[in-house]
Amino acid sequence: DTGVSQDPRHKITKRGQNVTFRCDPISEHNRLYWYRQTLGQGPEFLTYFQNEAQLEKSRLLSDRFSAERPKGSFSTLEIQRTEQGDSAMYLCASSLGAGDGTDTQYFGPGTRLTVL
Amino acid sequence: GQQVMQIPQYQHVQEGEDFTTYCNSSTTLSNIQWYKQRPGGHPVFLIQLVKSGEVKKQKRLTFQFGEAKKNSSLHITATQTTDVGTYFCAGLPYSGAGSYQLTFGKGTKLSVIP
Repeated sequence: DTGVSQDPRHKITKRGQNVTFRCDPISEHNRLYWYRQTLGQGPEFLTYFQNEAQLEKSRLLSDRFSAERPKGSFSTLEIQRTEQGDSAMYLCASSLGAGDGTDTQYFGPGTRLTVL
Repeated sequence: GQQVMQIPQYQHVQEGEDFTTYCNSSTTLSNIQWYKQRPGGHPVFLIQLVKSGEVKKQKRLTFQFGEAKKNSSLHITATQTTDVGTYFCAGLPYSGAGSYQLTFGKGTKLSVIP
């Protein structure tokens, strides 16, 4: 399968614990995006990488959230001291990086986080 | 900040009827993208519209981008049960800084009654 993959698919944790999610983009894609989606809502942008550089961060991304893409390939999203409000589907997407703004983003299956 | 509004929120149709969802942005867009999300699934890219007034067709689906590049619509002719899911529009704003921050609407959830 050459699509975007995410691991784990489901995570249940207790409030206050730290969690880390991984995203493997489509291999030739140099842009990688993280989104959060709650029930009945569209995906909300969190952050975006161009290769290993984190170029944009949403105001939704509190200090407890950190994302990395150390070698410009896979990415991790860590949430520290989880809160019940962090319960959501965390989606990763990647794109080829067309310079004219016509990028197409391909989404992974998501990681569903439940904070008890 | 940019807002993307989508209506209706829900639509129930008999199989064979047509369906339309509308998307409006508070700001002018560089492009607009449409995605479909099946229940329990993830968003799947359908199409991207870039030019003012652009119309694109994919079999029974017709996508339009408004002249002012602030609104868009998706029309499905003769719906089938396989069309069930939530349809999202997502707008990319014009930004001199080259922002790639897509803003999604809340989606239109389509149910098709056989």
